[in-house]
Amino acid sequence: DGGITQSPKYLFRKEGQNVTLSCEQNLNHDAMYWYRQDPGQGLRLIYYSQIVNDFQKGDIAEGYSVSREKKESFPLTVTSAQKNPTAFYLCASSIALVSPYEQFFGPGTRLTVL
Amino acid sequence: AQSVTQLDSQVPVFEEAPVELRCNYSSSVSVYLFWYVQYPNQGLQLLLKYLSGSTLVKGINGFEAEFNKSQTSFHLRKPSVHISDTAEYFCAVSDQNTGGFKTIFGAGTRLFVKA
Repeated sequence: DGGITQSPKYLFRKEGQNVTLSCEQNLNHDAMYWYRQDPGQGLRLIYYSQIVNDFQKGDIAEGYSVSREKKESFPLTVTSAQKNPTAFYLCASSIALVSPYEQFFGPGTRLTVL
Repeated sequence: AQSVTQLDSQVPVFEEAPVELRCNYSSSVSVYLFWYVQYPNQGLQLLLKYLSGSTLVKGINGFEAEFNKSQTSFHLRKPSVHISDTAEYFCAVSDQNTGGFKTIFGAGTRLFVKA
């Protein structure tokens, strides 16, 4: 089955630690995205990537970093600079960056800072 | 700049009753419109999309939506809901003319179906 996998499902972090969230897709999609979801705020775009070795900041990139070394993988690192990292993180992909293509989402990672 | 407003944060409804989840958008150009559903602790799943053509769009699970350009709305409807429809629903918009990729999501509407 084609789809997007995210791991881990739940992640706990101490303050001051960096953590990396995994996102893998086998849909052969060019574009990939990371969103942050907080209650009542919808989805906010953190980073996106159109192609391997290229990525761009979204609306709330501060305190986050990404890489895109392989087409199928787009890991997100939440750094200690992110002031309020507790949230639900969603990875998505689409055939290409330009509309009208819908996005396919992974199951999400819930990050909690202790 | 685009924006999306989902007019209700929560909608409680009894099982087998009809439901409408409201979505309004603003954009200076033509748009593509989407509705996604999110079940608890899961990712989003596409319900339906409007790209062009007929303004009435049918999606999965018996949902449909109507694009109204003059009112800049894309309301989601289902004639008879089930307990299993309890979830959060997101309206989303992306613009056409600039080749824009950016999809803007609404804040979500939580549908709660009661027995």
